Amino acid sequence: SQQGEEDPQALSIQEGENATMNCSYKTSINNLQWYRQNSGRGLVHLILIRSNEREKHSGRLRVTLDTSKKSSSLLITASRAADTASYFCATSRGGFKTIFGAGTRLFVKA
Amino acid sequence: GAVVSQHPSRVICKSGTSVKIECRSLDFQATTMFWYRQFPKQSLMLMATSNEGSKATYEQGVEKDKFLINHASLTLSTLTVTSAHPEDSSFYICSADGQRPWIGKNIQYFGAGTRLSVL
Repeated sequence: SQQGEEDPQALSIQEGENATMNCSYKTSINNLQWYRQNSGRGLVHLILIRSNEREKHSGRLRVTLDTSKKSSSLLITASRAADTASYFCATSRGGFKTIFGAGTRLFVKA
Repeated sequence: GAVVSQHPSRVICKSGTSVKIECRSLDFQATTMFWYRQFPKQSLMLMATSNEGSKATYEQGVEKDKFLINHASLTLSTLTVTSAHPEDSSFYICSADGQRPWIGKNIQYFGAGTRLSVL
């Protein structure tokens, strides 16, 4: 399968709460990226973490990477209704081929 | 920032016709572009890697005669769905690799997608 695993598949939270999404992958990687997709639209790049990094921050986003467990997490703090979207992790191993995880659908209730 | 334009955004066609989708990098040259297919509430499945000036590399299970890819210039790749059938109805998305340190090597810049409906 092309895809890694992501959990949860769907997440519903109240505005202001934190949202955590997890991603596991199968092979060694050069980097791992998180993308956001609003319904029926293209993807927007959020953050890239390299294989030699363990944690990275960008605004309200915090990404961790554990290469020994082949897993990553995306934390969105103080969520807003506008954060409602699908979130995908994607891995890259050599070359330029990027493989996407199954995605987590996040719904933030106002 | 880097922008990728995809056209058309939506197309409805009759079964048996062919549909062409264009993907353009607007402010950078993309020697490599990617074509993905996405079914409702599912992830993106890589269909093929499009290389400027050479043949596309197709993923296993993707029919190259069904999904024709042409990457004739450094800013344009096209995907043609030939003899479309209802089961080809899907959301098709292209992306281009930044390939330059200042715009993010290995970061994919995505088009807005094309929703194909085959009647």
